[in-house]
Amino acid sequence: EPEVTQTPSHQVTQMGQEVILRCVPISNHLYFYWYRQILGQKVEFLVSFYNNEISEKSEIFDDQFSVERPDGSNFTLKIRSTKLEDSAMYFCASSGTGGRYEQYFGPGTRLTVT
Amino acid sequence: GEDVEQSLFLSVREGDSSVINCTYTDSSSTYLYWYKQEPGAGLQLLTYIFSNMDMKQDQRLTVLLNKKDKHLSLRIADTQTGDSAIYFCAEISLPGNTPLVFGKGTRLSVIA
Repeated sequence: EPEVTQTPSHQVTQMGQEVILRCVPISNHLYFYWYRQILGQKVEFLVSFYNNEISEKSEIFDDQFSVERPDGSNFTLKIRSTKLEDSAMYFCASSGTGGRYEQYFGPGTRLTVT
Repeated sequence: GEDVEQSLFLSVREGDSSVINCTYTDSSSTYLYWYKQEPGAGLQLLTYIFSNMDMKQDQRLTVLLNKKDKHLSLRIADTQTGDSAIYFCAEISLPGNTPLVFGKGTRLSVIA
């Protein structure tokens, strides 16, 4: 069964450093998403991406965040200058078209900013 | 804004039924979802229901939707220890590939 994959599973970085989180969505899906979950809190939407551009973003997704689809398979989230409060689990998701809106999630990347 | 609320904990005995409840505020919610998160794992889509349905059954899972009260429930029949996980209710308010709004999740503990 096709699945969303994410790398790395755990990333530790120092405050102020740049990180890139990687995702490979399900191959025939066209919509891609990033969500995050701070420990003990709700899963929160960050950004959605379709047709090589951002289709929607939340207030959390400020100028320090960016997304890219550098090739036909990868979807990345970059955090330019990490802060302590960026420590969270980051989930990538993808969904199809044709009335199928279910979003399938990857296993997540745990980001720890020290 | 939209909000989704769930009780945080539920404990049941193995073999009993579990009922996990969820309320939402957005009356234009169109699709409602249940996701399962096992320790250290991602979010697994369990089932979903469209807002014009009252009930959906899928093997041991039954989803009930009361649109008037904006209440959604997930019933797990014959609960097993492998069902121990956090269960998230989520909704989208427009038909389409729009962001999910999640509840905080209900931690289900199954006692053998």
